[in-house]
Amino acid sequence: NAGVMQNPRHLVRRRGQEARLRCSPMKGHSHVYWYRQLPEEGLKFMVYLQKENIIDESGMPKERFSAEFPKEGPSILRIQQVVRGDSAAYFCASSPASGGATGELFFGEGSRLTVL
Amino acid sequence: GEDVEQSLFLSVREGDSSVINCTYTDSSSTYLYWYKQEPGAGLQLLTYIFSNMDMKQDQRLTVLLNKKDKHLSLRIADTQTGDSAIYFCAEKDTGRRALTFGSGTRLQVQP
Repeated sequence: NAGVMQNPRHLVRRRGQEARLRCSPMKGHSHVYWYRQLPEEGLKFMVYLQKENIIDESGMPKERFSAEFPKEGPSILRIQQVVRGDSAAYFCASSPASGGATGELFFGEGSRLTVL
Repeated sequence: GEDVEQSLFLSVREGDSSVINCTYTDSSSTYLYWYKQEPGAGLQLLTYIFSNMDMKQDQRLTVLLNKKDKHLSLRIADTQTGDSAIYFCAEKDTGRRALTFGSGTRLQVQP
């Protein structure tokens, strides 16, 4: 039973380019969460999505960042016109529709974005 | 809003006990969690405690919850070098599905 799969694991972009990060939730999970971890900092919530719906985007920067979770395929976090401050590890987590017995989130191994 | 705070660093000797502390502000927290992050990896759930409990033990791990002071701790008995990692405290409140994380405590175990 595969866990949360994220790709790419490492991504290098030049300033002004676009970054696309993909996340496939655990089998049977329909809820996806994106978190950002800046160097030497904790995890900051960005966005929570169900299939075809954004439920909570209170942590998303207002510009350049967008997320989607289509009916078919992985969730995608898209960063347009990247800047050096976007360099971070981006973690995806998933949970079942019911929230599970304890509300825990299951994390992927992260995508590490470096902006040159 | 919610806030979760942890000390940044803890160093212990192999075989000693480690105690990692966390404070939170959200009084409507339902579950509190401890996650472990090894270098270059994702977060792995270690243990959790429901907000109406004050203690939970799971092998070498003991979680203590003081609801009055909004203080959570994780005790690791007989700490091993393999326990070296960053430990994150997280809380979930009744109104949200997303968890709020602390900044993480880096545990260094000296042989």
